[in-house]
Amino acid sequence: GAGVSQSPSNKVTEKGKDVELRCDPISGHTALYWYRQRLGQGLEFLIYFQGNSAPDKSGLPSDRFSAERTGESVSTLTIQRTQQEDSAVYLCASSLAGIGATEAFFGQGTRLTVV
Amino acid sequence: RKEVEQDPGPFNVPEGATVAFNCTYSNSASQSFFWYRQDCRKEPKLLMSVYSSGNEDGRFTAQLNRASQYISLLIRDSKLSDSATYLCVVNKGGSYIPTFGRGTSLIVHP
Repeated sequence: GAGVSQSPSNKVTEKGKDVELRCDPISGHTALYWYRQRLGQGLEFLIYFQGNSAPDKSGLPSDRFSAERTGESVSTLTIQRTQQEDSAVYLCASSLAGIGATEAFFGQGTRLTVV
Repeated sequence: RKEVEQDPGPFNVPEGATVAFNCTYSNSASQSFFWYRQDCRKEPKLLMSVYSSGNEDGRFTAQLNRASQYISLLIRDSKLSDSATYLCVVNKGGSYIPTFGRGTSLIVHP
């Protein structure tokens, strides 16, 4: 596709369940980012992938959160044993390179609701 | 101190007004600066990059002040369609991870 694609667009899950969110970046984009945005709040950095380098996981809030990326393609963000405070929009972005001077393109996000 | 700080607003202005937002950042090693726009329940989209010499794109002007560690966005002749949240973005010092401010809400009314 032409843009960053995320799935599902909406997810409602019960507290304690695991969820997996998917991101398809723009073809050729080596950098991929995951952010979380709670209602009325700013974007909170979670994790960053750049090519085949080790990911920067410094933003992951707890060990319940993990993410993987295969090469320069699809990424999945997994949240284990979900809690109500995990409810948020999870945004994925990709850019041409890890150099911050390039534009980051965002997907439309996955709206996660933990009930 | 937060890495990137913005006045959340809202700024409520009439059509045709000029409005300015400031954003301060804490890491003096930051190298890349941007303004993004986010419409309600939508993803952020790049509005403009911010260059050291300042830059203009139509009604929008962005400026960077490294000494005082802030960037600004000026919108002239506001339109109803400018109503949105404007996000200040600074790359994380020492790496290339964009750090987002909380955003400034702008409401342009007739």
